[in-house]
Amino acid sequence: AQKITQTQPGMFVQEKEAVTLDCTYDTSDPSYGLFWYKQPSSGEMIFLIYQGSYDQQNATEGRYSLNFQKARKSANLVISASQLGDSAMYFCAIEGRTGGFKTIFGAGTRLFVKA
Amino acid sequence: DSGVTQTPKHLITATGQRVTLRCSPRSGDLSVYWYQQSLDQGLQFLIQYYNGEERAKGNILERFSAQQFPDLHSELNLSSLELGDSALYFCASSVHDSSYEQYFGPGTRLTVT
Repeated sequence: AQKITQTQPGMFVQEKEAVTLDCTYDTSDPSYGLFWYKQPSSGEMIFLIYQGSYDQQNATEGRYSLNFQKARKSANLVISASQLGDSAMYFCAIEGRTGGFKTIFGAGTRLFVKA
Repeated sequence: DSGVTQTPKHLITATGQRVTLRCSPRSGDLSVYWYQQSLDQGLQFLIQYYNGEERAKGNILERFSAQQFPDLHSELNLSSLELGDSALYFCASSVHDSSYEQYFGPGTRLTVT
């Protein structure tokens, strides 16, 4: 069984500052993938970043980076230089590789970027 | 625009009815995933198809069924609808048999009255 925990229901950050959104996970699968998605108020789901469990380096995609600490089972998302358009709901997800690629999502963190 | 299309955008129906949601994946994508997002349950994976075959099953109710056709479009059938089935239903697609670089459609908002 897999589980994702996002302990921050809401976060505030000042524009142009960096922010870290927390995500911890639990899985018995030896191989898995970790994802972050953004859901703006318009409702669409946008893929942000992916980290494979065997990847040695932390994933980065533009202003997004994933702070992957395997031993601690954490996959925090770091957004650098926050922009007003970053205000959205952010979901962390894990995809196990046993018995098919099932994805489990966390409850999400709502990020508010202040001008 | 992710390239994934879903129809209809909104659907209002009564309890006990049956509806079909349609999804067309991005060109070249072989995998289709269905998700349900509701206020009380959050975002839940329902089912995945890869090149016409069912690959993974999540929290999909027996009243729900899905299929992927030879042209790779997919349909999610919801029957004997209940008030609790009201939700946003997302379809997503990816090239491979994995949700790596998965692209979501705009969703179908289902309201059961």
